[in-house]
Formats: sequence, structure tokens, C-alpha cells
Amino acid sequence: ETGVTQSPTHLIKTRGQQVTLRCSSQSGHNTVSWYQQALGQGPQFIFQYYREEENGRGNFPPRFSGLQFPNYSSELNVNALELDDSALYLCASSSGAYNEQFFGPGTRLTVL
Amino acid sequence: QQQVKQSPQSLIVQKGGISIINCAYENTAFDYFPWYQQFPGKGPALLIAIRPDVSEKKEGRFTISFNKSAKQFSLHIMDSQPGDSATYFCAASLRTSGTYKYIFGTGTRLKVLA
Repeated sequence: ETGVTQSPTHLIKTRGQQVTLRCSSQSGHNTVSWYQQALGQGPQFIFQYYREEENGRGNFPPRFSGLQFPNYSSELNVNALELDDSALYLCASSSGAYNEQFFGPGTRLTVL
Repeated sequence: QQQVKQSPQSLIVQKGGISIINCAYENTAFDYFPWYQQFPGKGPALLIAIRPDVSEKKEGRFTISFNKSAKQFSLHIMDSQPGDSATYFCAASLRTSGTYKYIFGTGTRLKVLA
């Protein structure tokens, strides 16, 4: 059984640029959630995708958008990057009644 | 009301000792309470979880105690080892409109001294 994988591992962008982060869900999981984890903080919920549809969103602006593909992999897109977007971006896949979530290793995004 | 308050912020324990981390919540709609362990540069790993109809759950050296009336839950790590040194997050799951949204605590940085 393959766990959750994310790419790239690290990314450096400049303010105003756009970025795409990728996530492959764990085998058999049909739901993907994205979280932002600032340094020294707990993960903050961005949004969740279920069967290729956005299925809930946290308190993040529309410049954070996503996609889920038929194989349940997912992308997180962030437009017009700001310095405060610098964080570890985590993807979690899940399935089942309580949506037990398993996290990938994350993508460390630095915005200069 | 959707916050999960976690304490302490940091904890130092001697090898073999008991580590205790506490969390409190307000929203009684939370229906699932997992604990995650995170090492530097890694994603959080699910450690143990409990549902509100159970007061205690034990897996190896890790125990969750859950007090529904007080809206508190805690993680106990028995016989703490240096390899347990990591940041621990409690979380609470809230189902809204078909979405299971996790609310995380702010984390506890545990250091176990050899």
C-alpha cells in the first residue's frame, strides 16, 4: 500500500507569482484535504475534495484553488503569492466514516 | 467556538517518565479526536484517535483519556523515550455539509531527555 506523496519537496517563489503543488492520495482513498502549516503552528484547513468536487473550504481567499482528478490525486494552486503564504503545505487523504486523515510529507513553500 | 486549545506549549520529560498533553474544545458537534506526531521536516503521522462515546483508549505506550462533560481530552505517553521527542498535535473533527474538517491545536513540543 502506497502512502500519500507530495511534490515538490521544496519550492522558492517570489511575491506575485503562481504555484502548483501536487498530491497523490493513498490507495483506496477518495477524499483529499489540503492544509497550510505556518512555522510553529498547527495545520490550518484550506479545502477538501471528494470525487473531483470541492467539498468544503476553510478561511482562505479565492486565490487558493484546487483540483482533484479521476484517480483521486489533487493539485493546490495559489495565485498572486504573498510573503505570508510561506509555509508547509500538507495534503491528507482519507476514506471512511470518520474521514481518518493520513498526511503526506508536505511541500515547503518559501515566498521571497 | 471551533478552536481547540492545547497545553503545554512545550514539555521536557526524563526518559521513562510520563508525558501528558491536554486539549480542550467548546463545540459539542466535534465527533472524532485524533492525535498526531510530527517530526521536523515531516508531515503529521496519526498516532491514536478516540470517539466521544469512549472514555479511554490505549495503544501500546499511548493512551487517550476523554472527558465529554468537561470537553477535554489528553494524551499520555508512558515510559517516554528519546525517540518520542517530537511535536504533538491534538485535533477535532467536525462534519459540516458532508465535509470532515479537522481543527488542530497549536502543538506541544516534547523533549525526552536520555
